[in-house]
Amino acid sequence: EADIYQTPRYLVIGTGKKITLECSQTMGHDKMYWYQQDPGMELHLIHYSYGVNSTEKGDLSSESTVSRIRTEHFPLTLESARPSHTSQYLCASSEFDRGVGGYTFGSGTRLTVV
Amino acid sequence: GESVGLHLPTLSVQEGDNSIINCAYSNSASDYFIWYKQESGKGPQFIIDIRSNMDKRQGQRVTVLLNKTVKHLSLQIAATQPGDSAVYFCAENGITGNQFYFGTGTSLTVIP
Repeated sequence: EADIYQTPRYLVIGTGKKITLECSQTMGHDKMYWYQQDPGMELHLIHYSYGVNSTEKGDLSSESTVSRIRTEHFPLTLESARPSHTSQYLCASSEFDRGVGGYTFGSGTRLTVV
Repeated sequence: GESVGLHLPTLSVQEGDNSIINCAYSNSASDYFIWYKQESGKGPQFIIDIRSNMDKRQGQRVTVLLNKTVKHLSLQIAATQPGDSAVYFCAENGITGNQFYFGTGTSLTVIP
């Protein structure tokens, strides 16, 4: 079954550690996105990619970086985690062409930096 | 961590009643809209979509209404059930159509 997978589901990590949040999709979608969402709050776009070797920053400033070496994989990296990075991170993919389609979201990674 | 953005508006309804969730979108050039449902601890899931050449679209127990004049969307849920308790987001495709822009979201609580 085509889907989008995020790992880990939950992560508690100490300040200063480097972390990578994984996101993979099996649908062959060109477009992939990372959103940050605090509990009970809005979704904020932090990174997106329209294909291999294409990455852009989103509307919300973020200290994270992303890469897109393969179509199915869009990892997000924090070089040095801080408590202000505590949040939920949602990955999404889309075959969206103007007029049809939408996002398929992963279940998210809930990150806590202590 | 530091929170960003606004706290979501809330709506409480009695089980079996109809729910109406409203959304104002920002870009008059948007021509495609989607409603998403996000249950606790999960990612948003597609509910229903509508193109700008339509005023109304119906799904199973859900109806989306689009008023382009005032840039307003609404989601109507018939005979609301406890399983409908979630946060509901509207999304518009914006000027380029390459990504969606999400509204603030509404937290729906169904009272048994």
